[in-house]
Amino acid sequence: DIVMTQSPDSLAVSLGERATINCKSSQSILHSSNNENYLAWYQQKPGQPPKLLISWASTRESGVPDRFSGSGSETDFTLTISSLQAEDVAVYYCQQYYSAPNFGPGTKVDI
Amino acid sequence: EVQLVESGGALVKPGGSLRLSCAASGFTFTNHWMHWVRQAPGKGLVWVSRIDSGGTSTSYAGSVKGRFTISRDNAKNTLYLQMNSLRAEDTAVYYCARDVGPGGAYYFDYWGQGALVTVSS
Repeated sequence: DIVMTQSPDSLAVSLGERATINCKSSQSILHSSNNENYLAWYQQKPGQPPKLLISWASTRESGVPDRFSGSGSETDFTLTISSLQAEDVAVYYCQQYYSAPNFGPGTKVDI
Repeated sequence: EVQLVESGGALVKPGGSLRLSCAASGFTFTNHWMHWVRQAPGKGLVWVSRIDSGGTSTSYAGSVKGRFTISRDNAKNTLYLQMNSLRAEDTAVYYCARDVGPGGAYYFDYWGQGALVTVSS
């Protein structure tokens, strides 16, 4: 199984500042057939289901603000919120879909 | 508008059974694989099971294999999860989630609000 880890567990960021979340997979999730990284990012606010933010490591979903960006390849990935807004307070999860889906443990973002 | 609405969550004793349903609307149900993902109280997300568009191919997480059965009724646009031999560690909110692709991409673009299953004596 591919194990996903995230760091930090939680972080507090001032409004308007940058938030950076790291995600690491236990093996490469870059598929050689299409040169794509099989990684998604989700946002989960309290009492709500997760919301898909980014797929293929860096493709933002329709309607997701452009302050959210994803980067990385193979085993190391990053979700960046360029200018934190109050509505971004949430837990963020990475998920690999290279094999049977696994999520990271989550990173809680607070102000 | 895509909607996924789970039902059937309840308090059940260890060893008991429960069936969850997920009613889908707002999209062509037969075009998508479907999944169940669970979240224990205060914990992270764990993938449970998936079913292909036609309902003929399924897979399960090791922790539920042999105890849970996923199925779908495409005529009713409904996904199911039959849960048998329930254990305390199965206590969680169970989400149904839509796979983004018709061929099974294994990531999820729409989620239901979840159904709470509590296993306790």
